[in-house]
Amino acid sequence: DAGVIQSPRHEVTEMGQEVTLRCKPISGHDYLFWYRQTMMRGLELLIYFNNNVPIDDSGMPEDRFSAKMPNASFSNLKIQPSEPRDSAVYFCASRLSSGNTIYFGEGSWLTVV
Amino acid sequence: DQQVKQNSPSLSVQEGRISILNCDYTNSMFDYFLWYKKYPAEGPTFLISISSIKDKNEDGRFTVFLNKSAKHLSLHIVPSQPGDSAVYFCAAREYGNKLVFGAGTILRVKS
Repeated sequence: DAGVIQSPRHEVTEMGQEVTLRCKPISGHDYLFWYRQTMMRGLELLIYFNNNVPIDDSGMPEDRFSAKMPNASFSNLKIQPSEPRDSAVYFCASRLSSGNTIYFGEGSWLTVV
Repeated sequence: DQQVKQNSPSLSVQEGRISILNCDYTNSMFDYFLWYKKYPAEGPTFLISISSIKDKNEDGRFTVFLNKSAKHLSLHIVPSQPGDSAVYFCAAREYGNKLVFGAGTILRVKS
């Protein structure tokens, strides 16, 4: 069975450029989460969706960050313009509404230089 | 303000001994707790969980203990194996809502 699929796995970009990270949740899962992992703060929740609707975006650091979920099988996280402090691993995760466990993708490693 | 805290950034244990990872939380509305394990260059994977109505859950070498009055949970791994070396994240959930994670503890099991 396919798990959560994220792309790209690695991204190196210059400061000021737009970055788009993509996620395909597990089929049938109706919750989708975007997390960011940094050394200082561990795993931070950025935003999550239920049935494609954003429920809580209080973790999005600033207006440079945006996320959409146009359909049940796709979500993207955009950073525009990117800054060096955005360098981190970004994880997408999904779960069933009836479940307690969320399942993570392998992450997108972002480096902004 | 971190609602889930893992105060030990790292832990080193000899193979065959017990590993104890600790986690504290502040939100009394949390009703479900999970532990995730993460290897380098991989996403976190679910390890074990416990509902707030229980105080212990066991799965093979892994046991999670919950002390609600102290708002504290711990993960015991016995016996520890070198393959257990990873980052362990504690997570807590308010009913129906998001998971809040701690900062993680790096476990190193020495052979």
